[in-house]
Amino acid sequence: AQTVTQSQPEMSVQEAETVTLSCTYDTSESDYYLFWYKQPPSRQMILVIRQEAYKQQNATENRFSVNFQKAAKSFSLKISDSQLGDAAMYFCAYRSTGTASKLTFGTGTRLQVTL
Amino acid sequence: DTGVSQDPRHKITKRGQNVTFRCDPISEHNRLYWYRQTLGQGPEFLTYFQNEAQLEKSRLLSDRFSAERPKGSFSTLEIQRTEQGDSAMYLCASSLYTLGYTFGSGTRLTVV
Repeated sequence: AQTVTQSQPEMSVQEAETVTLSCTYDTSESDYYLFWYKQPPSRQMILVIRQEAYKQQNATENRFSVNFQKAAKSFSLKISDSQLGDAAMYFCAYRSTGTASKLTFGTGTRLQVTL
Repeated sequence: DTGVSQDPRHKITKRGQNVTFRCDPISEHNRLYWYRQTLGQGPEFLTYFQNEAQLEKSRLLSDRFSAERPKGSFSTLEIQRTEQGDSAMYLCASSLYTLGYTFGSGTRLTVV
C-alpha cells in the first residue's frame, strides 16, 4: 500500500517570502500522480498543483512549483511571493494510474502567513 | 454548475442514532468518492462509485456504513447506530473518469 508522509505539522512564512513544504511517499509503482491540495477554513479541498511521475519536468502553476525527485520519492511544494490568502492546510496526495483513482493523503502542513 | 454540493454542512447527533448525508456531484461527472477526515489528519478514502455502481469500499467502511448512488446522480452516505468515533468531516468529490477531482465543502458530524 502507498503511504504519504508530511513531516512538518506547521510552517510559517512572511508575506512576499518563499516557503517550501515537504512530502515523501512510498510506492512500488513506477507510474502514478502526485498532488498538492489546499484546504482553507472554508474546508473545500482545492487542487494547487499536479505532477505525473513519468514527466521529468517539475510542474509549475504561477507562484507554486514542485521539486519532484522520483528516485528519492520526494515531492516538495514551493510557494513564492507568499500572500495572506495562502494561509491554509496543505495536503500532499498520491494516486495510482489504475482505474480506482482514489487519493492517499498525508497528514497535512498548516501554513501561516505573517505580515 | 455550482460544483459539488454537500448537505448538511453540520450535523450533531446522539450516539446510537442514524444519520444520512447527501452529495450532489458535478452533473457531467461519472465518478463520485466519499472520504472521511478526522481532526489533524488527511482525508481517508471510504468508497467510490462509477455511475450507479459502487466499485470499491475501504475496510474503514464498517457494516454500519452504507452508501448509494441511485441513477448515477446524487449519492447518500448513511451511518447507522452512530458512535463517538464516527465524529469527523465527511468529504465528497466527483470526477470525470480519472480526470481531476472536485471536492465539496464537507459535512461535519459530531456524535455526542
